[in-house]
Amino acid sequence: EVQLLESGGGLVQPGGSLRLSCAASGFTFRHYAMSWVRQAPGKGLEWVSTISGSGDTTYYSDSVKGRFTISRDNSKNTLYLQMHSLRAEDAAMYFCVKKRGTPVTTIDWWGQGTLVTVSS
Amino acid sequence: DIQMTQSPSSLSASVGDRVTITCRASQGISNYLAWYQQKPGEVPKGLIFAAATLQSGVPSRFRGSGSETDFTLTISSLQPEDVATYYCQNYYSAPFTFGPGTKVDMK
Repeated sequence: EVQLLESGGGLVQPGGSLRLSCAASGFTFRHYAMSWVRQAPGKGLEWVSTISGSGDTTYYSDSVKGRFTISRDNSKNTLYLQMHSLRAEDAAMYFCVKKRGTPVTTIDWWGQGTLVTVSS
Repeated sequence: DIQMTQSPSSLSASVGDRVTITCRASQGISNYLAWYQQKPGEVPKGLIFAAATLQSGVPSRFRGSGSETDFTLTISSLQPEDVATYYCQNYYSAPFTFGPGTKVDMK
């Protein structure tokens, strides 16, 4: 069965950095695009970033472009999100999600999420 | 960028009612439209992709339709376990935006 296990969330001060990880299992990781989706407390879902299976192509929302970097290590079946210059509005639950195939396919699996809190 | 809107933002219905939620894209996205269900306190779950294809295990009372800019999610007979917020998402092109959500409550 597909498993996506996020880690790395926590409390960080405004302007700080954090790296999220997502350990994947139960499927051939390198064959599938992956994304990060976040949800602020009591708010809706917000797409953050997507990376192709090979890692060659990445996409970012305007709200994180230039501050966040998505990457993957296919030898370790792990997805990452490096976050810099964190703002209060970045505070959210961050979900690692698997796509059905390429970046332009639907999400078919969600992790449980890791919580990022940005506060001084 | 493609913007996604949903209506209504919330609704209350009775058990057995037919419920319809609308999602609109600001430009044509063919059928690259997904619907997700998020029950209170839970992780979102995929319901429909390609505008009308049910994800595995999704009850047949859920139906998706539409293409290009106008899409609909219909629950043919609302059940208590369908209380949730429903989101549409464009996956035609980045940014892969979600709609703002429609909260469905039981009357």
